[in-house]
Amino acid sequence: DTAVSQTPKYLVTQMGNDKSIKCEQNLGHDTMYWYKQDSKKFLKIMFSYNNKELIINETVPNRFSPKSPDKAHLNLHINSLELGDSAVYFCASSQVWGARNTEAFFGQGTRLTVV
Amino acid sequence: GENVEQHPSTLSVQEGDSAVIKCTYSDSASNYFPWYKQELGKRPQLIIDIRSNVGEKKDQRIAVTLNKTAKHFSLHITETQPEDSAVYFCAAWRTFGSGTQLTVLP
Repeated sequence: DTAVSQTPKYLVTQMGNDKSIKCEQNLGHDTMYWYKQDSKKFLKIMFSYNNKELIINETVPNRFSPKSPDKAHLNLHINSLELGDSAVYFCASSQVWGARNTEAFFGQGTRLTVV
Repeated sequence: GENVEQHPSTLSVQEGDSAVIKCTYSDSASNYFPWYKQELGKRPQLIIDIRSNVGEKKDQRIAVTLNKTAKHFSLHITETQPEDSAVYFCAAWRTFGSGTQLTVLP
């Protein structure tokens, strides 16, 4: 019974293609995130959604478009893939109680390789 | 926005020794500081966290200290074991440090 699940686990695709990564959480959390982990292991936040509303959009190219159909799902669509998009993408969720933040639970990651 | 700096980037210790990883943050309004462990090929997972109203927290061999005035927090692992080898990330809520590759030598 995986708490945060994302698919696919591996994605190999050619430059210029469009691809999507799906994420679902069954923890009842209100907040979901997308992180990018590059080859140097940096974990950089890309987007954060709270109750289906975008609250963080870091300096990410507009080729990346998140979509949250409901608070349990946050998908990531990437247009016109480039070599530099190759990385591991992690979905995560957490619960925020007013000003009280809590830990993030991560999905297993999607290793995207653009060739 | 928040900025988190983490040092060192790599750390090798002998089994049984202690390991210390240090982080600083920039936003004085930050109030939640988790530490995550990421084993090779796995997802980051929480190992310990501390809130801004607490100066120190301990869980068996792991402890975290927080100095709000200096905006500085640290992870201490005592009696290290080979299975402690991993990448450790500090965070100020959702902003992560750059990670520390800890290697425990048998």
